[in-house]
Amino acid sequence: DIQVTQSPSTLSASVGDRVTITCRASENLNQWVAWYQQKPGKAPKFLIYKASVLQSGVSSRFSGSGSGTEFTLTISSLQPDDFATYYCQQYSNYPTTFGQGTKVEI
Amino acid sequence: AQLTESGGGVVRPGTTLRLSCAASGFSFSSYGMHWVRQAPGKGPEWVAVLAHDESEEYYGDSVKGRFTISRDNSKNMLYLQMNSLRIEDTAVYYCAKDRLGLVLDAFDIWGQGTIVIVSS
Repeated sequence: DIQVTQSPSTLSASVGDRVTITCRASENLNQWVAWYQQKPGKAPKFLIYKASVLQSGVSSRFSGSGSGTEFTLTISSLQPDDFATYYCQQYSNYPTTFGQGTKVEI
Repeated sequence: AQLTESGGGVVRPGTTLRLSCAASGFSFSSYGMHWVRQAPGKGPEWVAVLAHDESEEYYGDSVKGRFTISRDNSKNMLYLQMNSLRIEDTAVYYCAKDRLGLVLDAFDIWGQGTIVIVSS
């Protein structure tokens, strides 16, 4: 199975900060990476697909980049609603796998 | 577009449970549908997928041979039959729609989840 590793596991930040989360894969994923946001007790929310394409309706504060084995999710100016846990997902090959998550906290 | 899971509960190890997922607001028969689970404090774990026309069906190694995914396109329903349940199957189970109907894809719609607790 393809392993995906996120860093950091926890990120402490303030409103207005620019934050970056990294996802590294054990194999070449081309651009087949998605990002999700999850708040406690809720289902994951789809943010980005194909590494950098913003899902319709998602704030432009979010952006994704990368290809191959290293990918990043950036929040340009952190807002109170953005404090949550973020997951990357590789869908280059089965089984599709998720990172262990990055919790963005105040 | 909406997905609504049901059927979770508290069960003993070795028993069975059937989860259901009702879809609405999109053309259910055009998309691959997945089950994804999330154990307490852990990241999501993909469980199974069934193609829109049932031509492809895949399972994660941890459930292969014990779980069966099925769908009824006439009723816009997705199912997960879970047999020989283990304590480590305890999780919130989500159904999810793939984005383009490609089976191996990102998940653009998720249900609210149903909780399965396997405990002796």
